[in-house]
Amino acid sequence: AQTVTQSQPEMSVQEAETVTLSCTYDTSESDYYLFWYKQPPSRQMILVIRQEAYKQQNATENRFSVNFQKAAKSFSLKISDSQLGDAAMYFCAYRTPNFGNEKLTFGTGTRLTIIP
Amino acid sequence: DGGITQSPKYLFRKEGQNVTLSCEQNLNHDAMYWYRQDPGQGLRLIYYSQIVNDFQKGDIAEGYSVSREKKESFPLTVTSAQKNPTAFYLCASSIGRAQHFGDGTRLSIL
Repeated sequence: AQTVTQSQPEMSVQEAETVTLSCTYDTSESDYYLFWYKQPPSRQMILVIRQEAYKQQNATENRFSVNFQKAAKSFSLKISDSQLGDAAMYFCAYRTPNFGNEKLTFGTGTRLTIIP
Repeated sequence: DGGITQSPKYLFRKEGQNVTLSCEQNLNHDAMYWYRQDPGQGLRLIYYSQIVNDFQKGDIAEGYSVSREKKESFPLTVTSAQKNPTAFYLCASSIGRAQHFGDGTRLSIL
């Protein structure tokens, strides 16, 4: 079974600075998808960024980018120019590409605090 | 606007009572999911459905039941057999790679 590990329960960063959240996963599959979700105090889960394992290029969405290291099974999220609205729980998630088994496996999350 | 609607936002259950959480989507997504979130933990999958009239157990299905009679709807019933139902419940849907979530229902015990 796949597992996802987020080893940083809490992180903090000064506003406008850059922060990196770590995620590692364990799988025997060669093809899969990885995601970062943001959960603000409202508790809604918001998709931040996604990465297909077959793509070597790291995904980027505005201030958010990932460092995907397939051999190391590592998938970190970098937030540049941190803003107060970035404060939230961040969850890393894994999904197989198989139709009929598209469930997500989540890590335990990292709480990010932005210091004004 | 398209989206996923969960209701109610807050729900209270008495001992021995079954309660049903609603999840409706107008995104025309085939797949729908129910997750449970406990404090300090990530989301855990309860049930999922890839198509109408079909659903599969997730990792923590005991004490829960679902139905999928319509593409748009995937209600979750928390039965009296679920001894620790207090949690935050999230519904999601997908057509393709990413899942999109509703705003959640917080269930508490009276």
